Amino acid sequence: QQQVKQSPQSLIVQKGGIPIINCAYENTAFDYFPWYQQFPGKGPALLIAIRPDVSEKKEGRFTISFNKSAKQFSLHIMDSQPGDSATYFCAPPPISGSARQLTFGSGTQLTVLP
Amino acid sequence: GAGVSQSPSNKVTEKGKDVELRCDPISGHTALYWYRQSLGQGLEFLIYFQGNSAPDKSGLPSDRFSAERTGGSVSTLTIQRTQQEDSAVYLCASSPRPFRDEQYFGPGTRLTVT
Repeated sequence: QQQVKQSPQSLIVQKGGIPIINCAYENTAFDYFPWYQQFPGKGPALLIAIRPDVSEKKEGRFTISFNKSAKQFSLHIMDSQPGDSATYFCAPPPISGSARQLTFGSGTQLTVLP
Repeated sequence: GAGVSQSPSNKVTEKGKDVELRCDPISGHTALYWYRQSLGQGLEFLIYFQGNSAPDKSGLPSDRFSAERTGGSVSTLTIQRTQQEDSAVYLCASSPRPFRDEQYFGPGTRLTVT
């Protein structure tokens, strides 16, 4: 059973553009909403995360926004750079329940053109 | 400090052979996770440990897969009678608490079954 739906699957932007990646979730029993970044040949690494008591969090050029009523959270990358080209995953862990529910989104492959 | 380490980094094995993949988590992390990632795909959750205990093993793809964790630290993922479809990158991650915190990933083990 799919817990999160991530979109788009791939995204190409010019340098300086603002790519937006979305993650919609079904299970309301989440209290931590992270985005992971993965470069080829490497394991994923946490990029930014938010708790549901705030609607937005900004760290450098990366902003995560959270819409509790819509059950959605999004990643915005301001002034994108070619070095941001990577695959991005949303991965909200369930507070409780079966371990099979611990799923990552399908991933968004971002390409930032120079 | 030291991050999550995995060994070997690459493993090529013949179909039908058994393989063992090792994960050394960050010291003090209670939770340890195993994932599988096929080329260009998302992360498939396999199993997690809380301490030495794996509460739910239903995410393992078949009974050829098993995992254990000893001393609340090192974990081993064993694949018996390997098949070509087992070829993938196997990622290990750890976190201070299960389902609550950032996951720290290792670099992965690339398994190729010929």
